[in-house]
Amino acid sequence: NAGVTQTPKFQVLKTGQSMTLQCAQDMNHEYMSWYRQDPGMGLRLIHYSVGAGITDQGEVPNGYNVSRSTTEDFPLRLLSAAPSQTSVYFCASSPRPPGPLNEKLFFGSGTQLSVL
Amino acid sequence: SQKIEQNSEALNIQEGKTATLTCNYTNYSPAYLQWYRQDPGRGPVFLLLIRENEKEKRKERLKVTFDTTLKQSLFHITASQPADSATYLCAAWMDSSYKLIFGSGTRLLVRP
Repeated sequence: NAGVTQTPKFQVLKTGQSMTLQCAQDMNHEYMSWYRQDPGMGLRLIHYSVGAGITDQGEVPNGYNVSRSTTEDFPLRLLSAAPSQTSVYFCASSPRPPGPLNEKLFFGSGTQLSVL
Repeated sequence: SQKIEQNSEALNIQEGKTATLTCNYTNYSPAYLQWYRQDPGRGPVFLLLIRENEKEKRKERLKVTFDTTLKQSLFHITASQPADSATYLCAAWMDSSYKLIFGSGTRLLVRP
C-alpha cells in the first residue's frame, strides 16, 4: 500500500491563479481531511469528508473548495490564490471519522505552496 | 473557543535524559488526546492515544499522562536519543464532531 499520496510536493502560484492539490489513498478509508500548517499555528483543519459525496467545513475553509466523488480521492481546490494561502498542506485519512472509537490519522507527505 | 496549547519553545536536552512535553487544553474536555511525531518535510505520524479515564499509557520508551483536573497531558520520552529529535504534536477529538484539532507542536532536540 502506498498510503496517502499527495501531489505536487512543491508549487509556486501567482496571486489570482487557481490550482488543485491532489490527494489519494489506497487504504479504503472513509474519512479524509485537509490541513494547513503554518509556523506557530500548528495544523488547522480546512475541509473534511466522511465518505464519497459528503464534505464539510473545518476551522479555516474560506478560499478552498473540495469534492469527494470517489472513496480514494479528495482534491483541494484554490479558486483564486492569495498570499495568505502560502502554507504547507497535508491530506490525512482514517478508516472512520474521528470519534469515540479513537481513529488515528494517516498523513501524506505534504505540499508546500507559495503564492506570490 | 476550544484550544490546545503546546510550548512553542524548543526543548533541548542531553542524550539519555527524559524529555517531557506538555499539552494543555481550555474551554472543553476531550474524550481523548493523541500524540504525533513530525519530522522535517514529512507528515505527522501517530504515536499514542490516551483516554480521559486513563491516567497513564506506555509504549516502549514513551509515556503519556492525562490529568483532567489540570486539563493537561504530559508526553515523556525516557532514555532519549538523537533520533528522537522531531516535532511532537498533541491532538484532541472535539466531542460530537468529526474533527481532530491539533496543537502547534513542540520541537525536541536531543544532543549527543
